[in-house]
Amino acid sequence: SQQGEEDPQALSIQEGENATMNCSYKTSINNLQWYRQNSGRGLVHLILIRSNEREKHSGRLRVTLDTSKKSSSLLITASRAADTASYFCALTGANSKLTFGKGITLSVRP
Amino acid sequence: NAGVMQNPRHLVRRRGQEARLRCSPMKGHSHVYWYRQLPEEGLKFMVYLQKENIIDESGMPKERFSAEFPKEGPSILRIQQVVRGDSAAYFCASSPQILAEFNTGELFFGEGSRLTVL
Repeated sequence: SQQGEEDPQALSIQEGENATMNCSYKTSINNLQWYRQNSGRGLVHLILIRSNEREKHSGRLRVTLDTSKKSSSLLITASRAADTASYFCALTGANSKLTFGKGITLSVRP
Repeated sequence: NAGVMQNPRHLVRRRGQEARLRCSPMKGHSHVYWYRQLPEEGLKFMVYLQKENIIDESGMPKERFSAEFPKEGPSILRIQQVVRGDSAAYFCASSPQILAEFNTGELFFGEGSRLTVL
């Protein structure tokens, strides 16, 4: 079944820097979503981009989607220590099932 | 408006016992998904249910696992005769409508139930 693959697996940056995370996939999608998971907690939806969209913004988040390359990127600008979490891309296919990648562990050093 | 409620948050069982995990979706949501997460890994889809119907159970192990979402009450994920390999965090998520058709298409997650099998 389709599943996004996030890259890199882990990312460590200094507070104030930007964090860029990538997701690649193999099959056609209806939309692509990014979620965040703080340690020991449930997932929280961050942003959704539809297959006919190329870029979306939400606060300090910017997500892009390139359907020709089957890839998406999530950019967090001006990172904060509170952004430390795991980030997952999720794909919604024609069967209405949302599948997740293995995630990216982001550490933001104060 | 309460979010997705899962209980228990932590459950300890001995091998061979049964585990029952409950999930109350957000008010007005009739679609429930169950996922399993092993340490340091992503979420693995298990089952997708609507009220009184199992829509997709392609991620459920063939034996010992079952799920239901009755007309009244929470969704239940039941694991019979648990083994150590069942130790994981089990997450429930809900949505108000079929993901592919709804405007935002996001899932709302509970905080998870962490099962430890001794």
